[in-house]
Amino acid sequence: GDQVEQSPSALSLHEGTSSALRCNFTTTTRSVQWFRQNSRGSLINLFYLASGTKENGRLKSAFDSKELYSTLHIRDAQLEDSGTYFCAAGTGNTRKLIFGLGTTLQVQP
Amino acid sequence: GGIITQTPKFLIGQEGQKLTLKCQQNFNHDTMYWYRQDSGKGLRLIYYSITENDLQKGDLSEGYDASREKKSSFSLTVTSAQKNEMAVFLCASSITPLGNYAEQFFGPGTRLTVL
Repeated sequence: GDQVEQSPSALSLHEGTSSALRCNFTTTTRSVQWFRQNSRGSLINLFYLASGTKENGRLKSAFDSKELYSTLHIRDAQLEDSGTYFCAAGTGNTRKLIFGLGTTLQVQP
Repeated sequence: GGIITQTPKFLIGQEGQKLTLKCQQNFNHDTMYWYRQDSGKGLRLIYYSITENDLQKGDLSEGYDASREKKSSFSLTVTSAQKNEMAVFLCASSITPLGNYAEQFFGPGTRLTVL
């Protein structure tokens, strides 16, 4: 079935360092959303992309619909960036989002 | 901007019990969604509704009913709670998408535990 493969599953960063999360899609994907889920379980919208790249502060996301992947770059990681990051794909003919399994990020001092 | 509120925040039920979860949004969005999240997993769509009184099944609709009473509210009913079930139910809303895609915004969730 349709899948969203998210990597890595877990990531540990020291404050001030940078890294990238990735989602690969196994089917035609028309849009992608990135979320951070905090410790209380709330999903915070980070990006919504139908193509190209978007940047917001220390976060930058890119979506390549031809190569079927999306990335989320975190620059100068801060403690408050800790949480679980999900990507979700808008695919097919329905309005559902297909979620990846998430990347759990821990930022350490 | 707007917010989505879900009630209750925590729901404890007994096996076989019918349980109802409620969601309200003030974005004035046409489309609303119910997702289920199991521990360590992503979200899966249960039902969605594109307008008042409309219902569309998602991947996980068996065992659930839903009701879109008015534009701003969308309820989900667990028809018969399963013993030891634990999950978080998340409500979302979006504008009516051009094509089939629009940014979805999520509520804080209802955490279900079945004893």
